[in-house]
Amino acid sequence: DADVTQTPRNRITKTGKRIMLECSQTKGHDRMYWYRQDPGLGLRLIYYSFDVKDINKGEISDGYSVSRQAQAKFSLSLESAIPNQTALYFCATSDLDRVGEQFFGPGTRLTVL
Amino acid sequence: DAKTTQPTSMDCAEGRAANLPCNHSTISGNEYVYWYRQIHSQGPQYIIHGLKNNETNEMASLIITEDRKSSTLILPHATLRDTAVYYCIDGNYGGSQGNLIFGKGTKLSVKP
Repeated sequence: DADVTQTPRNRITKTGKRIMLECSQTKGHDRMYWYRQDPGLGLRLIYYSFDVKDINKGEISDGYSVSRQAQAKFSLSLESAIPNQTALYFCATSDLDRVGEQFFGPGTRLTVL
Repeated sequence: DAKTTQPTSMDCAEGRAANLPCNHSTISGNEYVYWYRQIHSQGPQYIIHGLKNNETNEMASLIITEDRKSSTLILPHATLRDTAVYYCIDGNYGGSQGNLIFGKGTKLSVKP
């Protein structure tokens, strides 16, 4: 079984809808991250969390919110989706002291019409 | 923006060694060099990292120049499954930092 899982894997939604992307991990890592990837732009960090009580904004947090429900679960929400949020979204985890070694989930392809 | 410079694309024959270069001329003394790869649209996969010394693991070898301004990732016997975008990242990821800065990487095509 995969160590980092994301649901859904694909989602098509309409402008203005609220959507939640979920990430679960079985690696026992404290740190979790959400990235988005747009064609030709590489990955950009949205939010990251060092533990259940710690949430931090990344490079592009506007229009997104997150919830760290447990050590193993980290959800990303788009409160009112817009078309330029169409992208590939990745969740990642890392050990407390090995932040440069991140383990990524398979990704969620989100399309906002 | 990414602080590293990599060629946009490279080709390699199957079974041969793939040598992927990276320039990180602004790297500071406590920053590591990390390599990841991304196969098609899958999640990036950590490969290897190093500080000063050359490193080897089951996936690849990392050669870092003595002045630490550049490095080379070596896939000793490339296979078709190694076709991917390879990212070189430098940074100090201790403490509270968490932002891996991915550039555009090198698209490696392994050909039969």
